[in-house]
Amino acid sequence: GIQVEQSPPDLILQEGANSTLRCNFSDSVNNLQWFHQNPWGQLINLFYIPSGTKQNGRLSATTVATERYSLLYISSSQTTDSGVYFCAVEAVTGGGNKLTFGTGTQLKVEL
Amino acid sequence: ETGVTQTPRHLVMGMTNKKSLKCEQHLGHNAMYWYKQSAKKPLELMFVYNFKEQTENNSVPSRFSPECPNSSHLFLHLHTLQPEDSALYLCASSQREAYEQYFGPGTRLTVT
Repeated sequence: GIQVEQSPPDLILQEGANSTLRCNFSDSVNNLQWFHQNPWGQLINLFYIPSGTKQNGRLSATTVATERYSLLYISSSQTTDSGVYFCAVEAVTGGGNKLTFGTGTQLKVEL
Repeated sequence: ETGVTQTPRHLVMGMTNKKSLKCEQHLGHNAMYWYKQSAKKPLELMFVYNFKEQTENNSVPSRFSPECPNSSHLFLHLHTLQPEDSALYLCASSQREAYEQYFGPGTRLTVT
């Protein structure tokens, strides 16, 4: 099946700093989503971005489908950004409806 | 209620008990999913339902039994579980395949 790798696995930032999270995948995809999992386990949708660039406030994401990677940018980080960020993809050849998750990036934003 | 809801939020059960997890989506979607998130592991897809029909069973043990009576409701019936089944169980829904999936808050299950 499709492989999804996220980097870095752990990240500590000072409040106000910027960061880039990366997601590499091993096959063509027709769905790519970024999620933020809060301390209570809720997965919050950040972006649905199988290709192109999107922005939402301090967050933006870019997927280069031909090169099989996606980037999540966090600017002016805040303590509330802490948590785990997951990339999940659905392979074109996967038979549909199968999101494969990466192992996540654990982000901690400190004052 | 909006989005995807799950009940109960927390569940502790013995290995001989039978319990059920419930998921309901209020988004008008046609596909529903069960995922399992164990400690230190990525989320794993368990089951997929499209228009109430099961289209994916990701080699899940038979002690987990899904049920989808209609496009808005999804259940996971549990029986004779093992301690290693303790995990966060997440339900999701989407309009159809390759569309954005939305997740419920999860049920944190502990098997004693």
